[in-house]
Amino acid sequence: EVHLVQSGAEVRKPGESLKISCQVSGYDFTSYWIGWVRQMPGKGLEWMGIIYPGDSDTRYSPSFQGRVTVSADKTTSTAYVHLSSLKASDSAIYYCAKGPPMSPAYFDYWGQGTLVTVSS
Amino acid sequence: SYVLTQPPSVSVAPGETATITCGGNNIGSESVHWYLQRPGQAPVLVIYYDSDRPSGIPERFSGSKSGNTATLTISRVEAGDEADYYCQVWHANDHVFGIGTRVTVL
Repeated sequence: EVHLVQSGAEVRKPGESLKISCQVSGYDFTSYWIGWVRQMPGKGLEWMGIIYPGDSDTRYSPSFQGRVTVSADKTTSTAYVHLSSLKASDSAIYYCAKGPPMSPAYFDYWGQGTLVTVSS
Repeated sequence: SYVLTQPPSVSVAPGETATITCGGNNIGSESVHWYLQRPGQAPVLVIYYDSDRPSGIPERFSGSKSGNTATLTISRVEAGDEADYYCQVWHANDHVFGIGTRVTVL
């Protein structure tokens, strides 16, 4: 059974950075894309970036390029998203999600979400 | 950038049919995927590649596409279908989501 388990809630101050993890099980981590999606309070879904752990090929949303880094550790089947220079507007729930076979086109399994609060 | 347009809300009585539209420029050449998100929960894939249904998703959920509009149809609506519904495409190496449609079951 496929599982994506994310790290717990975080509180940061403006200007700080943050790394969220997503550990997967139940499938071959290296053979499927994993993406990250942000959801601000009361708002919709925003795609941030995606990585293919097999060869670390990454793609980023233009809206997040330069401020977000997506990475993957094949030894622990864990994906990460690193957010830098945090602002209050980065307060949101962040989801990791797995792509289907051979494609990053959509997300068939999702993590439980990680709540991030940025406040001085 | 590519934009997907959804109605903000749809209301439907139990047992009736809910229709959620998703418009986009030349969407006929895109593959459209749909998710539902219940309050406080992670999104769930309900339709992929326009009209395919993942295992475990009831047959009441169906997808179609015509012209510049993709449509998610929920037949025989139940109280548990109350959720936000998002359409999504993978366009030019960019995941694009619609703004979401809140389905309210009356």
